[in-house]
Amino acid sequence: NAGVMQNPRHLVRRRGQEARLRCSPMKGHSHVYWYRQLPEEGLKFMVYLQKENIIDESGMPKERFSAEFPKEGPSILRIQQVVRGDSAAYFCASSPGRGPHEQYFGPGTRLTVT
Amino acid sequence: ILNVEQSPQSLHVQEGDSTNFTCSFPSSNFYALHWYRWETAKSPEALFVMTLNGDEKKKGRISATLNTKEGYSYLYIKGSQPEDSATYLCARGAGSARQLTFGSGTQLTVLP
Repeated sequence: NAGVMQNPRHLVRRRGQEARLRCSPMKGHSHVYWYRQLPEEGLKFMVYLQKENIIDESGMPKERFSAEFPKEGPSILRIQQVVRGDSAAYFCASSPGRGPHEQYFGPGTRLTVT
Repeated sequence: ILNVEQSPQSLHVQEGDSTNFTCSFPSSNFYALHWYRWETAKSPEALFVMTLNGDEKKKGRISATLNTKEGYSYLYIKGSQPEDSATYLCARGAGSARQLTFGSGTQLTVLP
């Protein structure tokens, strides 16, 4: 039973390029969450999605960031025109459904913007 | 308390010692309190989810308690082992939101 998978594990982008981060939830999980850890900071919530729906994006920066969780395939966190301040570790978590379920985390994608 | 706060920030104990950490959180609009164990270069590992005032959960040598009225949770480790060395995170879920607000963690080092 594979856990939450994220790829790539490491991503290097030049300023102005686009970054696409992928997350495959655990089998049977229909809820996906994205968190960001900036250098020297803790985990911060970005967005919560169910299949084909964004439920809560209150933690997403207003510009350049978007997320989706299509009916088929992984959830994607997309960062357009990356800047150095976007360098961080991006973690995805999944849970099975409603209620205070544990969120199971993936290994994260470390984005470096040069 | 406006944010989720954890203390101490870091802790060194000898193998065999028992230890505990504190998580303080806003008590208003409380939904759930999560504890995670995070080893370097690995994913945060879910330990407990607690929702009710007075909840106590146990997994092996690790246990946790919850007081939602005053807004705190304790995590206890009995007979610490070097493999317990990790950062322990607590996170609060509030209201109908599923998002978690994390504390900055307690970094535990167990010396052999």
